[in-house]
Amino acid sequence: AQKVTQAQTEISVVEKEDVTLDCVYETRDTTYYLFWYKQPPSGELVFLIRRNSFDEQNEISGRYSWNFQKSTSSFNFTITASQVVDSAVYFCALSEEASNTGKLIFGQGTTLQVKP
Amino acid sequence: DADVTQTPRNRITKTGKRIMLECSQTKGHDRMYWYRQDPGLGLRLIYYSFDVKDINKGEISDGYSVSRQAQAKFSLSLESAIPNQTALYFCATRAGTSEYEQYFGPGTRLTVT
Repeated sequence: AQKVTQAQTEISVVEKEDVTLDCVYETRDTTYYLFWYKQPPSGELVFLIRRNSFDEQNEISGRYSWNFQKSTSSFNFTITASQVVDSAVYFCALSEEASNTGKLIFGQGTTLQVKP
Repeated sequence: DADVTQTPRNRITKTGKRIMLECSQTKGHDRMYWYRQDPGLGLRLIYYSFDVKDINKGEISDGYSVSRQAQAKFSLSLESAIPNQTALYFCATRAGTSEYEQYFGPGTRLTVT
């Protein structure tokens, strides 16, 4: 069965620290997509990144970077030099393409608090 | 203007009342989804639709119904609201098999007292 686990419920760091949010997934499909979303205190979901199962290249976007490892079924998210504005709930999600439903399976979310 | 809109944005209702949450999109997408977010549980799928004649249950459809009035509109109804349906509800759209991202509405915060 498909599943996404974000074992870290809450993380608190001081500004400028680096922080890594873990995401582990389970799926029997060979074709799937992984996502990260940010939910700031205002409540909306902000799309951060999509990665397909055939592309294990790591990606960097400014202070954000993502490490995808199929061998460990992980898709971890690192924020470098964290800022107060990074405080939010972060969700990892999985979309399986074999079922053709397009539905997203979300992890439980990790609440990140960045203190000044 | 936002591509995916939800109304109302906030709603407080009483146990036993019927309530409808509405979602509209201007992206021209065929696929629409309703999710529910509870603290510590992430988002869970309630219903999804591929077109006006194709409606499917998600993992937590009990107590909910939906209507796809048009390609652009997908409504979620709680026939008789109960307190444990208090949650944040999101509508999302997706183009189909050619695109893989879902575009989310701003959410509706529903409180059932």
